[in-house]
Amino acid sequence: NAGVTQTPKFQVLKTGQSMTLQCAQDMNHEYMSWYRQDPGMGLRLIHYSVGAGITDQGEVPNGYNVSRSTTEDFPLRLLSAAPSQTSVYFCASEDSGNTIYFGEGSWLTVV
Amino acid sequence: DAKTTQPPSMDCAEGRAANLPCNHSTISGNEYVYWYRQIHSQGPQYIIHGLKNNETNEMASLIITEDRKSSTLILPHATLRDTAVYYCIVRVGPNSGYALNFGKGTSLLVTP
Repeated sequence: NAGVTQTPKFQVLKTGQSMTLQCAQDMNHEYMSWYRQDPGMGLRLIHYSVGAGITDQGEVPNGYNVSRSTTEDFPLRLLSAAPSQTSVYFCASEDSGNTIYFGEGSWLTVV
Repeated sequence: DAKTTQPPSMDCAEGRAANLPCNHSTISGNEYVYWYRQIHSQGPQYIIHGLKNNETNEMASLIITEDRKSSTLILPHATLRDTAVYYCIVRVGPNSGYALNFGKGTSLLVTP
């Protein structure tokens, strides 16, 4: 998956806790994004960024914050975890040829 | 936003070509068609993408009809490792964050 690194791979949270999912790429890609995938479903866009200092909301942004202080990093913050946020989270980045590469995913369970 | 329609499942014999169809009749003129596959909830793996012309790379070929309302992904010599869920995706524009609109995909089973 061409250098998109996500951490942690697995996490269990209690309702109300906060945490940050990390995403990094070393390919100097401008466009980065976060998706979530619920069981049996396709991926849905949470937030995206077209470059450092610029972020915007996707289809399902509620309960999540992002920032893009550098080109390399695009962390996703869960402010107050809820069971509905139990999902698999994928970070992605895009090269100049419009090819989008996904990370391996972060499995989050909120109890 | 353009939506895609794919058959829920297909079978293919190992060594044969796998032809996966996709309908995207509401696609707009500047929207790209992407194909990804996913194995056991791993990260989606990029296969190929195109706008109007047919495309080929080391993994597959993408055939887009002239009216762009449908396309076919061709895996020329399917192997057991090609068993996966294949997603045909129309990438939407800036008003929707350039999102990849994943549907439910086609579950391809390659048999010995």
